[in-house]
Amino acid sequence: AQSVTQPDIHITVSEGASLELRCNYSYGATPYLFWYVQSPGQGLQLLLKYFSGDTLVQGIKGFEAEFKRSQSSFNLRKPSVHWSDAAEYFCAVGAQNTGNQFYFGTGTSLTVIP
Amino acid sequence: KAGVTQTPRYLIKTRGQQVTLSCSPISGHRSVSWYQQTPGQGLQFLFEYFSETQRNKGNFPGRFSGRQFSNSRSEMNVSTLELGDSALYLCASSLDRLAGGLISTDTQYFGPGTRLTVL
Repeated sequence: AQSVTQPDIHITVSEGASLELRCNYSYGATPYLFWYVQSPGQGLQLLLKYFSGDTLVQGIKGFEAEFKRSQSSFNLRKPSVHWSDAAEYFCAVGAQNTGNQFYFGTGTSLTVIP
Repeated sequence: KAGVTQTPRYLIKTRGQQVTLSCSPISGHRSVSWYQQTPGQGLQFLFEYFSETQRNKGNFPGRFSGRQFSNSRSEMNVSTLELGDSALYLCASSLDRLAGGLISTDTQYFGPGTRLTVL
């Protein structure tokens, strides 16, 4: 069965510190992987995606993620967090040739302290 | 290019009523998917429409239905509302570039959602 696990429900970091949000997936087919961010009361904004090729992908707002097939992981990173990064982050997985039925993790809530 | 729009943004209904939510995808996008987001269950896939046909369906009861029009706009309907249907309903659209009968998987762009409250 397809599933996405985000082990950290909530993370608190200081502004300027580095950030890593974890994501593990279970999917039988070739995965397409995504990170989205959601601010309170808003929809989801795409941060970055991985379909194939270079396993280190760059996204918007200075975020990057690395696909590690051997670990079934797609962790999100940012070298220096800004207060405006406080939000809920969701990892999602889809699969090639299956349409757009995505499976989402339960999300990680990020708090940034000054 | 305008993003995905959803109307209305907020709805309050009572148990037993029905509701219709609307989604207009990004211009040129042919796939529309619907998700339900609740604090307890997170984001759950409802269904996907492509070229006016339901292409994928999640594990929701038959009270949840949808359709897509020729201009790719989509509606979802929930009949006989229950308290547990209170949620943020998100619509997402995708371009779907593949041709030749192949099923595409593409980046989904989300709308702001419709917040449904059932009393």
